[in-house]
Order: sequence, then structure tokens, then C-alpha cells
Amino acid sequence: EDKVVQSPLSLVVHEGDTVTLNCSYEVTNFRSLLWYKQEKKAPTFLFMLTSSGIEKKSGRLSSILDKKELFSILNITATQTGDSAVYLCAVESYSGAGSYQLTFGKGTKLSVIP
Amino acid sequence: DAGVTQSPTHLIKTRGQQVTLRCSPKSGHDTVSWYQQALGQGPQFIFQYYEEEERQRGNFPDRFSGHQFPNYSSELNVNALLLGDSALYLCASSLLGTSMNTEAFFGQGTRLTVV
Repeated sequence: EDKVVQSPLSLVVHEGDTVTLNCSYEVTNFRSLLWYKQEKKAPTFLFMLTSSGIEKKSGRLSSILDKKELFSILNITATQTGDSAVYLCAVESYSGAGSYQLTFGKGTKLSVIP
Repeated sequence: DAGVTQSPTHLIKTRGQQVTLRCSPKSGHDTVSWYQQALGQGPQFIFQYYEEEERQRGNFPDRFSGHQFPNYSSELNVNALLLGDSALYLCASSLLGTSMNTEAFFGQGTRLTVV
């Protein structure tokens, strides 16, 4: 059974701090690893990673994948209160006949206090 | 483009009742996946529909069933509701055969409360 484990489950930091969120996985037929930000309801897409060692960046957010050790990290520098959200890690696996399936971790709840 | 739309946004039902949730995929998408997200948990895959057929299914009992219509919209039905079915139900649409990266769009979800 596919498994995705995120740590920590919750984190409280002050504005300006840098945070690192962790995601480890065990899946068959790995296709990609995705990070989502969930503030209210709909998860919004942040990154998709398919290759090891290639960092993806978007503003203050960056992420990298290690396919040998089966983990990924999401870094947020100079955190702002608007970064407060649940960050979800999901692994996309190929489930046959052209279908892909997402397996999510429980998420990391990040709270940024002024 | 309206993106993925779900209805209703909130719903309160009594134990034992049945409920139907609806999802319209993003324009151009043909595949709909349903997820259940309990409080404090990540979304869990329920099932996926393509060409009006259930393609994949997660570890959910038969009380959970679905349907996809020719216009690619989908319904999720839950029978004999239990208190534990209370959750946010998310619908995601994509195009079959493509990676679910940015093409996997999520709706705003339906918050179901069973009392």
C-alpha cells in the first residue's frame, strides 16, 4: 500500500523565520511528487517534482526531491503570516490504463505569528 | 473558465440518510477523482471516473458509489451515513493519460456534517 509521511505535523514560527517541511514516501510506480497549499478548502498547486536533485523555486518557496532516499523537502524563507496554511505532500503513481492516482500525507500545519 | 465546481458547499445530514454530491470538471478535462478529507488529515482517494466508468477505487466501502455523465460531470453518493463520514469531500479533474501536476485542479469541496 502506498504511503506518504509528512513531518512535522504542525509548526509555529515567527515572521521572517525559515522553515523546512519534510515528506517521505513508499509507493509503487512512482510518477511524481507534488506539494499543495491548503488554506481553506481547495488545495492549490505549488510544485511538481519528477527528477532527483533538481530544485524547483517559486519566490520564497523551493523544493527538492531525492528519489534514492525517497523524500522531498519544501523550504519557505522569510516566512509571512500569509504563509500560514496546511502544506500537503502527495505522490502521484501510475495505476494502469492511463490512470494516475494521488496519495496524500496528513499535511503540515504551519502557523506564522507576527 | 469556471474551473472545477462542486455543489453544495455545505450539507448537514442525519445518520442513516443518503447524500449526493456533485462535481463539474474543468473545461477540457475528462477524468474526475473524488477524495475524502477528515479533519486534520490529508485527502484520501475514494475513486476515479473516466468514460462513465469507475477506473480506480481506494479503500472505501460499497456505501460510497459514484457516477459520471456524458458531459464528464460526476456524482458521489454515500448511503447509510455514519458519523465518521463527516468530512470535506474534494473533487479533482484531470485529463486521462496526463500527469496530474498542474492539470489536476481541485474544487472548493463540499463540507458534509453527519449528526
